[in-house]
Amino acid sequence: GAGVSQSPSNKVTEKGKDVELRCDPISGHTALYWYRQSLGQGLEFLIYFQGNSAPDKSGLPSDRFSAERTGGSVSTLTIQRTQQEDSAVYLCASSTQGELTDTQYFGPGTRLTVL
Amino acid sequence: GQNIDQPTEMTATEGAIVQINCTYQTSGFNGLFWYQQHAGEAPTFLSYNVLDGLEEKGRFSSFLSRSKGYSYLLLKELQMKDSASYLCAVDDKIIFGKGTRLHILP
Repeated sequence: GAGVSQSPSNKVTEKGKDVELRCDPISGHTALYWYRQSLGQGLEFLIYFQGNSAPDKSGLPSDRFSAERTGGSVSTLTIQRTQQEDSAVYLCASSTQGELTDTQYFGPGTRLTVL
Repeated sequence: GQNIDQPTEMTATEGAIVQINCTYQTSGFNGLFWYQQHAGEAPTFLSYNVLDGLEEKGRFSSFLSRSKGYSYLLLKELQMKDSASYLCAVDDKIIFGKGTRLHILP
Protein backbone atom coordinates (compact mmCIF):
# COMPACT_ATOMS: atom_id res chain seq x y z
CA GLY A 1 0.00 0.00 0.00
CA ALA A 2 0.95 3.66 -0.12
CA GLY A 3 3.52 4.92 2.32
CA VAL A 4 3.85 8.26 4.04
CA SER A 5 3.96 11.11 1.56
CA GLN A 6 5.14 14.67 2.05
CA SER A 7 4.85 17.76 -0.05
CA PRO A 8 6.56 19.68 -1.39
CA SER A 9 9.69 17.61 -1.77
CA ASN A 10 11.76 20.78 -2.07
CA LYS A 11 10.96 24.32 -1.01
CA VAL A 12 13.14 27.37 -1.47
CA THR A 13 11.91 30.52 0.22
CA GLU A 14 13.12 33.95 1.18
CA LYS A 15 13.87 34.89 4.76
CA GLY A 16 10.79 36.26 6.47
CA LYS A 17 8.25 34.38 4.37
CA ASP A 18 5.87 31.77 5.79
CA VAL A 19 5.96 28.16 4.60
CA GLU A 20 3.59 25.27 5.00
CA LEU A 21 4.72 21.65 4.83
CA ARG A 22 2.28 18.82 4.38
CA CYS A 23 2.32 15.21 5.53
CA ASP A 24 -0.06 12.44 4.46
CA PRO A 25 0.36 9.50 6.84
CA ILE A 26 -0.39 5.89 6.05
CA SER A 27 -4.14 5.39 6.10
CA GLY A 28 -5.36 4.23 9.49
CA HIS A 29 -2.23 5.29 11.38
CA THR A 30 -3.21 7.09 14.56
CA ALA A 31 0.14 8.57 15.47
CA LEU A 32 2.04 11.13 13.43
CA TYR A 33 5.47 12.61 14.13
CA TRP A 34 7.41 15.56 12.75
CA TYR A 35 11.23 15.65 12.84
CA ARG A 36 13.87 18.00 11.52
CA GLN A 37 17.31 17.07 10.28
CA SER A 38 19.74 19.94 9.77
CA LEU A 39 23.00 19.59 7.88
CA GLY A 40 25.57 17.97 10.15
CA GLN A 41 23.10 17.61 13.01
CA GLY A 42 21.24 14.64 14.38
CA LEU A 43 17.56 14.10 13.94
CA GLU A 44 15.50 16.50 16.06
CA PHE A 45 12.03 15.61 17.30
CA LEU A 46 9.52 18.44 16.81
CA ILE A 47 6.02 17.28 17.67
CA TYR A 48 3.85 14.19 17.95
CA PHE A 49 0.12 13.78 17.26
CA GLN A 50 -2.11 11.10 18.70
CA GLY A 51 -5.20 11.49 16.58
CA ASN A 52 -5.75 15.21 16.18
CA SER A 53 -4.20 16.24 19.46
CA ALA A 54 -0.58 16.96 20.25
CA PRO A 55 0.15 16.07 23.89
CA ASP A 56 3.64 17.57 23.81
CA LYS A 57 4.58 20.65 21.79
CA SER A 58 7.76 21.44 23.67
CA GLY A 59 9.96 20.12 20.85
CA LEU A 60 8.96 22.96 18.52
CA PRO A 61 12.05 25.22 18.29
CA SER A 62 10.21 28.53 18.60
CA ASP A 63 6.77 30.09 18.53
CA ARG A 64 7.21 30.62 14.79
CA PHE A 65 6.56 26.89 14.40
CA SER A 66 3.10 25.41 14.63
CA ALA A 67 1.48 22.19 13.51
CA GLU A 68 -1.99 20.87 13.18
CA ARG A 69 -3.68 17.69 12.18
CA THR A 70 -7.25 17.40 11.02
CA GLY A 71 -9.51 14.40 10.62
CA GLY A 72 -6.86 12.21 12.19
CA SER A 73 -5.06 12.18 8.87
CA VAL A 74 -3.21 14.98 7.08
CA SER A 75 -0.89 17.20 9.09
CA THR A 76 0.64 20.55 8.23
CA LEU A 77 3.72 22.09 9.77
CA THR A 78 3.80 25.86 9.40
CA ILE A 79 6.87 28.00 9.86
CA GLN A 80 6.22 31.73 10.05
CA ARG A 81 8.78 34.42 9.26
CA THR A 82 11.35 31.84 8.18
CA GLN A 83 14.97 32.28 9.19
CA GLN A 84 18.07 30.81 7.57
CA GLU A 85 18.57 28.46 10.50
CA ASP A 86 15.23 26.87 9.62
CA SER A 87 16.87 25.34 6.52
CA ALA A 88 16.73 21.58 7.01
CA VAL A 89 14.99 18.42 5.87
CA TYR A 90 11.64 18.07 7.61
CA LEU A 91 10.60 14.47 8.05
CA CYS A 92 7.19 13.10 8.90
CA ALA A 93 6.49 9.61 10.24
CA SER A 94 3.40 7.69 11.21
CA SER A 95 2.70 4.58 13.24
CA THR A 96 -0.36 2.49 13.91
CA GLN A 97 -1.17 3.53 17.45
CA GLY A 98 1.58 5.71 18.82
CA GLU A 99 2.90 3.11 21.19
CA LEU A 100 6.60 3.64 21.39
CA THR A 101 7.30 0.11 20.26
CA ASP A 102 5.29 0.60 17.08
CA THR A 103 7.41 0.91 13.98
CA GLN A 104 7.48 4.44 12.63
CA TYR A 105 7.24 4.72 8.86
CA PHE A 106 8.97 7.77 7.50
CA GLY A 107 8.11 9.91 4.52
CA PRO A 108 10.74 11.11 2.03
CA GLY A 109 11.02 14.52 3.68
CA THR A 110 10.71 18.12 2.56
CA ARG A 111 14.00 19.90 1.97
CA LEU A 112 13.53 23.51 3.03
CA THR A 113 16.07 26.13 2.01
CA VAL A 114 15.72 29.64 3.38
CA LEU A 115 17.75 32.19 1.45
CA GLY B 1 21.59 18.08 30.70
CA GLN B 2 20.97 15.78 27.78
CA ASN B 3 23.87 14.06 26.08
CA ILE B 4 24.07 11.12 23.69
CA ASP B 5 27.44 9.95 22.42
CA GLN B 6 28.21 7.61 19.59
CA PRO B 7 31.26 7.34 17.32
CA THR B 8 31.13 9.57 14.27
CA GLU B 9 32.46 7.02 11.79
CA MET B 10 33.38 3.34 11.70
CA THR B 11 34.70 1.01 9.02
CA ALA B 12 34.15 -2.74 8.78
CA THR B 13 34.59 -5.51 6.21
CA GLU B 14 31.87 -7.30 4.30
CA GLY B 15 30.89 -10.48 6.12
CA ALA B 16 32.25 -9.31 9.46
CA ILE B 17 30.51 -8.28 12.69
CA VAL B 18 30.49 -4.70 13.93
CA GLN B 19 29.33 -3.19 17.20
CA ILE B 20 28.20 0.44 17.36
CA ASN B 21 28.14 1.85 20.88
CA CYS B 22 25.95 4.56 22.31
CA THR B 23 26.21 6.15 25.76
CA TYR B 24 23.66 8.54 27.11
CA GLN B 25 23.02 10.89 29.98
CA THR B 26 19.47 12.18 29.97
CA SER B 27 17.16 13.50 32.64
CA GLY B 28 14.50 10.94 31.73
CA PHE B 29 14.55 7.56 30.09
CA ASN B 30 11.73 5.39 28.81
CA GLY B 31 13.63 3.40 26.21
CA LEU B 32 16.23 3.61 23.47
CA PHE B 33 15.79 3.53 19.70
CA TRP B 34 18.19 2.58 16.93
CA TYR B 35 17.53 3.84 13.41
CA GLN B 36 19.32 3.20 10.12
CA GLN B 37 19.58 6.03 7.63
CA HIS B 38 20.98 5.73 4.11
CA ALA B 39 22.36 8.87 2.55
CA GLY B 40 19.61 11.05 1.14
CA GLU B 41 16.85 8.92 2.60
CA ALA B 42 14.64 9.04 5.66
CA PRO B 43 15.63 6.98 8.71
CA THR B 44 14.29 3.45 9.16
CA PHE B 45 13.34 2.09 12.56
CA LEU B 46 15.52 -0.84 13.69
CA SER B 47 14.84 -1.46 17.37
CA TYR B 48 13.48 -0.13 20.63
CA ASN B 49 14.89 -1.40 23.95
CA VAL B 50 13.14 -0.82 27.26
CA LEU B 51 14.60 -3.58 29.43
CA ASP B 52 18.23 -4.47 30.04
CA GLY B 53 19.64 -7.19 27.85
CA LEU B 54 20.10 -8.19 24.27
CA GLU B 55 17.30 -8.32 21.72
CA GLU B 56 17.96 -10.07 18.44
CA LYS B 57 16.26 -9.38 15.13
CA GLY B 58 17.88 -11.34 12.34
CA ARG B 59 21.33 -9.96 11.54
CA PHE B 60 20.79 -6.99 13.88
CA SER B 61 20.81 -7.11 17.68
CA SER B 62 20.51 -4.31 20.21
CA PHE B 63 21.71 -4.32 23.79
CA LEU B 64 20.79 -2.03 26.67
CA SER B 65 22.19 -1.44 30.14
CA ARG B 66 20.11 1.20 31.90
CA SER B 67 22.34 1.32 34.96
CA LYS B 68 25.36 2.11 32.78
CA GLY B 69 23.56 4.44 30.35
CA TYR B 70 24.86 2.30 27.52
CA SER B 71 23.56 0.57 24.43
CA TYR B 72 25.06 -1.05 21.40
CA LEU B 73 23.83 -2.15 18.01
CA LEU B 74 25.40 -5.35 16.71
CA LEU B 75 25.39 -6.02 12.98
CA LYS B 76 26.38 -9.51 11.84
CA GLU B 77 27.28 -10.89 8.39
CA LEU B 78 27.75 -7.37 7.09
CA GLN B 79 26.55 -6.62 3.59
CA MET B 80 27.42 -3.67 1.39
CA LYS B 81 23.86 -2.40 1.75
CA ASP B 82 24.50 -1.95 5.49
CA SER B 83 26.66 1.10 4.68
CA ALA B 84 24.59 3.83 6.29
CA SER B 85 24.35 6.06 9.33
CA TYR B 86 23.07 4.47 12.52
CA LEU B 87 21.24 6.77 14.91
CA CYS B 88 20.86 6.11 18.60
CA ALA B 89 17.92 7.94 20.19
CA VAL B 90 16.76 8.12 23.79
CA ASP B 91 13.06 8.11 24.45
CA ASP B 92 12.84 11.19 26.62
CA LYS B 93 11.11 13.57 24.25
CA ILE B 94 12.96 11.44 21.69
CA ILE B 95 16.45 12.91 21.73
CA PHE B 96 18.75 11.75 18.96
CA GLY B 97 22.49 11.33 18.81
CA LYS B 98 24.27 12.65 15.73
CA GLY B 99 24.60 9.21 14.21
CA THR B 100 27.42 6.84 13.31
CA ARG B 101 28.38 6.62 9.65
CA LEU B 102 29.30 3.00 8.91
CA HIS B 103 31.45 2.22 5.87
CA ILE B 104 31.54 -1.35 4.60
CA LEU B 105 34.62 -2.42 2.65
CA PRO B 106 34.43 -5.22 0.12
